[in-house]
Amino acid sequence: DSGVTQTPKHLITATGQRVTLRCSPRSGDLSVYWYQQSLDQGLQFLIQYYNGEERAKGNILERFSAQQFPDLHSELNLSSLELGDSALYFCASSVGQGSNQPQHFGDGTRLSIL
Amino acid sequence: GQQVMQIPQYQHVQEGEDFTTYCNSSTTLSNIQWYKQRPGGHPVFLIQLVKSGEVKKQKRLTFQFGEAKKNSSLHITATQTTDVGTYFCAEKSSGGSNYKLTFGKGTLLTVNP
Repeated sequence: DSGVTQTPKHLITATGQRVTLRCSPRSGDLSVYWYQQSLDQGLQFLIQYYNGEERAKGNILERFSAQQFPDLHSELNLSSLELGDSALYFCASSVGQGSNQPQHFGDGTRLSIL
Repeated sequence: GQQVMQIPQYQHVQEGEDFTTYCNSSTTLSNIQWYKQRPGGHPVFLIQLVKSGEVKKQKRLTFQFGEAKKNSSLHITATQTTDVGTYFCAEKSSGGSNYKLTFGKGTLLTVNP
């Protein structure tokens, strides 16, 4: 158990819809990262927050947004969903904000777009 | 953009055989991390390498960082069925964002008992 909690575990929805994925980091971790994992693209970094502030952005679409709240949990919002958004979405956390920090991953949310 | 090439993409071995996966970058790296993802699981941090030529061992796993800090390898001696999974390297290039790690596409290891 990594200590990172992601909900829901599975999500099935239709094209054009909007969903929110939730992540609670390990106790004491201030950084939260979001990744998208699909078969053909591997593990793609989306965005990182540290103590409520955005720190780094990766290949995140404009239809996607995220935030980190004062209690350090984070939400990833995906809107105008397309078939290609079907993937496993991981949240990870680390103590600090630098790229030299080991990241601890949650179990992921599997998103299926019908 | 920053590219990390990981080879091979797949490797199937008989239990007891050795296994090696390689990560190669076009740019000099500040550090490199290795993760393992079991089938149906999530990535789990294994180790971080920072120094040029660094070698670290964890039981049957040996991790190396190249002298030029542009490549790294993970070697498993005498594989066991518990080694099955996808091994990812994750890199941060020198001069790049201080926060962003780029993951390779991973090497899927399967072990025949």
